[in-house]
Amino acid sequence: AQKVTQAQTEISVVEKEDVTLDCVYETRDTTYYLFWYKQPPSGELVFLIRRNSFDEQNEISGRYSWNFQKSTSSFNFTITASQVVDSAVYFCALSEMNYGGATNKLIFGTGTLLAVQP
Amino acid sequence: NAGVTQTPKFRVLKTGQSMTLLCAQDMNHEYMYWYRQDPGMGLRLIHYSVGEGTTAKGEVPDGYNVSRLKKQNFLLGLESAAPSQTSVYFCASSYSRLAGGGEQYFGPGTRLTVT
Repeated sequence: AQKVTQAQTEISVVEKEDVTLDCVYETRDTTYYLFWYKQPPSGELVFLIRRNSFDEQNEISGRYSWNFQKSTSSFNFTITASQVVDSAVYFCALSEMNYGGATNKLIFGTGTLLAVQP
Repeated sequence: NAGVTQTPKFRVLKTGQSMTLLCAQDMNHEYMYWYRQDPGMGLRLIHYSVGEGTTAKGEVPDGYNVSRLKKQNFLLGLESAAPSQTSVYFCASSYSRLAGGGEQYFGPGTRLTVT
């Protein structure tokens, strides 16, 4: 069965601190996608990144970076120099692959609530 | 482009009442999805569709029905609402994987309360 675990339920940091959100996944597929979404207090879900299982290069986008390690089945997300606007719930998700045809179905973790204090 | 829109934004139902949630997307996406979000449980897939006229069950389909009569619309129905269906409902859409897609684009959500 496929599963995504975000063990950190809540994290609280002070502005300008670095913070890493953990994501561990389980899948029997050799080809899959991993995602991060942000849900700010306003409630909408914002796509942050997609990574396929063949690409283990780390990615950096401004203050955001992602570390994908197949050996440990992890796809961790780091925010450098956090800001109050980063306060949100962050979800990690895994995309299922069906041999009969891909459906892009997402399996979500339970999310990590990040609170950045001024 | 409006992206993914959902109607209504809020709704209160009494147990046993029925209602339909409407999702519309203007991105010409093949795939559409309905999720529910409950505290501490993340998002769980209710039903999904990989094309006009097709639907399939997700992780938590009981108590819900869906229809995809037009490519741009995906309707979620509750025939007899129960308090356990109190939740925030999100619709999403995506291109097919063959078209290079994968990420889903989400609507703003519908907050449903069943009393």
